[in-house]
Amino acid sequence: ETGVTQSPTHLIKTRGQQVTLRCSSQSGHNTVSWYQQALGQGPQFIFQYYREEENGRGNFPPRFSGLQFPNYSSELNVNALELDDSALYLCASSSGQSANTEAFFGQGTRLTVV
Amino acid sequence: GIQVEQSPPDLILQEGANSTLRCNFSDSVNNLQWFHQNPWGQLINLFYIPSGTKQNGRLSATTVATERYSLLYISSSQTTDSGVYFCAVDTGRRALTFGSGTRLQVQP
Repeated sequence: ETGVTQSPTHLIKTRGQQVTLRCSSQSGHNTVSWYQQALGQGPQFIFQYYREEENGRGNFPPRFSGLQFPNYSSELNVNALELDDSALYLCASSSGQSANTEAFFGQGTRLTVV
Repeated sequence: GIQVEQSPPDLILQEGANSTLRCNFSDSVNNLQWFHQNPWGQLINLFYIPSGTKQNGRLSATTVATERYSLLYISSSQTTDSGVYFCAVDTGRRALTFGSGTRLQVQP
């Protein structure tokens, strides 16, 4: 059984650019959620994908968008990067159908916007 | 939305000491998880515990759902226990709401 994997692990972008982060869900999981963790804070929910459809969204602007693919892997896209987008981005996978909703996280992508 | 409060915010222990971390939440939950975030940012699952008591080695957790709190117990702490401990809850949307964490430092 493979765990949740994210790529890349670190990334530096310039303000105004666009970025794509990737996540492979754990084997058997069909739900992927993305979180943003600013320095010194707890992770904040961005959005969730279930069976390739957005299934819930937190308080983030439309320039944060995503995709989920038929193999349940997912991408997070951020357009028009701002300095405040610098954060650790975490992906979590869970089973969307079982009563057990335990979420498992990847190692994160640390994004720095300069 | 639901509020999640963790206490204490910071904790310094000597190796071998015991500690209790608390998580209070403001509404009914379907899911409650405890995580340990290591220095590299990885969130390590400790417990999935929407109710009841569980134990795993030196760690145990209790959630009293009717009173809206959960406790994480760490016994005989080790330096490798250092890091940030997060409580996170799900009200049925399958999106986790995290507390602000307890930063634990275990000194040798």
